[in-house]
Amino acid sequence: ETGVTQTPRHLVMGMTNKKSLKCEQHLGHNAMYWYKQSAKKPLELMFVYSLEERVENNSVPSRFSPECPNSSHLFLHLHTLQPEDSALYLCASSPPGSYYGYTFGSGTRLTVV
Amino acid sequence: AQSVTQLGSHVSVSEGALVLLRCNYSSSVPPYLFWYVQYPNQGLQLLLKYTTGATLVKGINGFEAEFKKSETSFHLTKPSAHMSDAAEYFCAVSGSGSNYQLIWGAGTKLIIKP
Repeated sequence: ETGVTQTPRHLVMGMTNKKSLKCEQHLGHNAMYWYKQSAKKPLELMFVYSLEERVENNSVPSRFSPECPNSSHLFLHLHTLQPEDSALYLCASSPPGSYYGYTFGSGTRLTVV
Repeated sequence: AQSVTQLGSHVSVSEGALVLLRCNYSSSVPPYLFWYVQYPNQGLQLLLKYTTGATLVKGINGFEAEFKKSETSFHLTKPSAHMSDAAEYFCAVSGSGSNYQLIWGAGTKLIIKP
């Protein structure tokens, strides 16, 4: 257990479904991140939240919608996804700034059918 | 633009042999450098990091890395490989254009032969 908990671990959804991924940390970190990890591709940063405000959004399609209600919780709301969105979605947290590196959760393996 | 290059998408070594995973970076500012490990069906775990000070950095599980500014390298080594070291390893550098973003290498899968 790393201190960053992601649920569910596995998710299969149809292209018309709506689902949400959840991330929770109790490390006292102020920044939280969503990453996408696809086979044979580098890690892709999707969203960054610092002190519950979105500070970066790397041209992610609107079918992915993040939410950060407080500094301990981060959600990724999914709707009308495409098969190419199938991937491992990783949540991470850190103190403010990249100096410290991140603490990652175990990820949610998403399959879109 | 900053970049991280990991030489070799797959590296195979025999159990007990030296592990050497290569990472080169480009950065216009003094970098912070990281190595992460990912075991199957898991997230990434920090192995070690270089921020300032001593250029030889020791991490968990017997790994270490040396920051060589003149070579813009941060290679990861372990004197003797164990079967449990089989995993994917990622090198990352702090992004100069962002307080938060890390620039990632593509990863190297380490295979341990019995």
